[in-house]
Amino acid sequence: AQKVTQAQTEISVVEKEDVTLDCVYETRDTTYYLFWYKQPPSGELVFLIRRNSFDEQNEISGRYSWNFQKSTSSFNFTITASQVVDSAVYFCALSRINNNDMRFGAGTRLTVKP
Amino acid sequence: DGGITQSPKYLFRKEGQNVTLSCEQNLNHDAMYWYRQDPGQGLRLIYYSQIVNDFQKGDIAEGYSVSREKKESFPLTVTSAQKNPTAFYLCASEGQMNTEAFFGQGTRLTVV
Repeated sequence: AQKVTQAQTEISVVEKEDVTLDCVYETRDTTYYLFWYKQPPSGELVFLIRRNSFDEQNEISGRYSWNFQKSTSSFNFTITASQVVDSAVYFCALSRINNNDMRFGAGTRLTVKP
Repeated sequence: DGGITQSPKYLFRKEGQNVTLSCEQNLNHDAMYWYRQDPGQGLRLIYYSQIVNDFQKGDIAEGYSVSREKKESFPLTVTSAQKNPTAFYLCASEGQMNTEAFFGQGTRLTVV
């Protein structure tokens, strides 16, 4: 069975703080994809990153970085120097290769206060 | 601009009525999806379609129906058989499997 757990329901930080959103997954597959999406107040989900299970290199994109650790089945997301515009719900998701079955975590609501 | 459009944004339905949510995309994507979002539960897959005239049930298809007569359109009907239809519904499309999915802005359905 595939499962994604985002244990942090809500996080509140003050602008310019760093914040890490946790994501732990379960799968019996040896190959799979992991995703992060952002859901701003407008409602649509916005794609942030896709990671193939073969690629354990960490990735940095501006203030965003992702730490993928296969040994602990985690794919954590860090925002450095957070900004008010980062306030949103963030979803981690797991997808089987060549399969439409994508599993989402429950989401973490991040609030960045000025 | 290319994108995915859901309408209406808000929808109210009386108990016992069927209601149809619209989803249109002009991205030329083959795959389209419907998800339901409830507080604290993330997104759950209702139906998906990989190609015109074909669709598959997701985890929570009971009480819902879909059609895919055109590549651009994937409407979702919430039937009276759906016991707890009040939720936020998201439509998505995908060009190639396991790549970036594009989402609409959602429809918030409330049963009154």
